[in-house]
Amino acid sequence: DGGITQSPKYLFRKEGQNVTLSCEQNLNHDAMYWYRQDPGQGLRLIYYSHIVNDFQKGDIAEGYSVSREKKESFPLTVTSAQKNPTAFYLCASSISDQPQHFGDGTRLSIL
Amino acid sequence: QKEVEQDPGPLSVPEGAIVSLNCTYSNSAFQYFMWYRQYSRKGPELLMYTYSSGNKEDGRFTAQVDKSSKYISLFIRDSQPSDSATYLCAMCEDNDMRFGAGTRLTVKP
Repeated sequence: DGGITQSPKYLFRKEGQNVTLSCEQNLNHDAMYWYRQDPGQGLRLIYYSHIVNDFQKGDIAEGYSVSREKKESFPLTVTSAQKNPTAFYLCASSISDQPQHFGDGTRLSIL
Repeated sequence: QKEVEQDPGPLSVPEGAIVSLNCTYSNSAFQYFMWYRQYSRKGPELLMYTYSSGNKEDGRFTAQVDKSSKYISLFIRDSQPSDSATYLCAMCEDNDMRFGAGTRLTVKP
């Protein structure tokens, strides 16, 4: 089945630690996105990539980093510079000008 | 003012009711409009999308877009307990997508 796989489902971060969230898609989509979802707020865009080896900052990129070395993969690193990392993180992919399709998210909490 | 406004609810209705969910927006450049359904601890699932003003129907769901009023709606007919979820509106301009905060719906048996 085609889809977007995010792992792990739950993740805990210690103070000063970087953590990496995985996102893999087998839909052959060119574009991939990372969003953060907080209660009572809409999804906020962290980073996006429309092509391999290229990515752009979204609205709230500070404290996050990404890479896009393969079309299928778009990992997100939450660095220690992100002071409020507790949230539900969603990865999405799309064909240009088409609606985005989402994975089932990773819930990140601070220990 | 937020770009996309959506009443967060919560909204509770009896089984079989007609549900109306709404969003308003400020950016007249938005080109297409979507509704997503999100179950607890899951990612959003695309329900409906449309490029133009007017109605689009799919089974029990009808999406309505009024570009002149900058207003979109999702109607659910004969609502079921399995429709209980958070519904997110979304709209897009040149690959820049904006989301409403979501309306939490509960359909009681």
